[in-house]
Amino acid sequence: NAGVTQTPKFQVLKTGQSMTLQCAQDMNHEYMSWYRQDPGMGLRLIHYSVGAGITDQGEVPNGYNVSRSTTEDFPLRLLSAAPSQTSVYFCASSRRTAVGNTIYFGEGSWLTVV
Amino acid sequence: GQQLNQSPQSMFIQEGEDVSMNCTSSSIFNTWLWYKQDPGEGPVLLIALYKAGELTSNGRLTAQFGITRKDSFLNISASIPSDVGIYFCAGLSYGQNFVFGPGTRLSVLP
Repeated sequence: NAGVTQTPKFQVLKTGQSMTLQCAQDMNHEYMSWYRQDPGMGLRLIHYSVGAGITDQGEVPNGYNVSRSTTEDFPLRLLSAAPSQTSVYFCASSRRTAVGNTIYFGEGSWLTVV
Repeated sequence: GQQLNQSPQSMFIQEGEDVSMNCTSSSIFNTWLWYKQDPGEGPVLLIALYKAGELTSNGRLTAQFGITRKDSFLNISASIPSDVGIYFCAGLSYGQNFVFGPGTRLSVLP
């Protein structure tokens, strides 16, 4: 995928544990975002950032925290994992072309909370 | 939150057949994107559309930005086994975040 790197690929957590999903992009994109993907649903926005030092909530932000200290990195933190957070998580970054936006995704992080 | 509608939800076709799928919304969009997602992988951008009525091709894939700006279409010609996967659309309005469809699952029978 176009320069968006996510780690880890797979993770199993116990309820109540915390963890951080890492995301980095090397395309100098200003806009970065985190989505979760659940069966039968479209990607849902968790948090996003329009630049270093700026973050905002998306559609489903509860239970997650983000920070954007650099243009390249946008980690997602699960504060106290719950089974409802079992999902596939995608980090994405976006550029603005001359005519519009195009968004690129990482390869995903499969998270299971037991 | 706002979501897009995609149809069909799934389809089974014979190798060599043409495929059509669409994405609809109650809102107007300025950008439509089409992605393919293979199992265990992230979505990969196939085609980007930025203007109402625009028709854009990428190999055997052709996508159109609907005139009403509320829909988009993706066609695949002469399907092959590697076309198997989930295809989903994304729409963007000015000042908003992207919204995504739930996907169309394509299976290609040899």
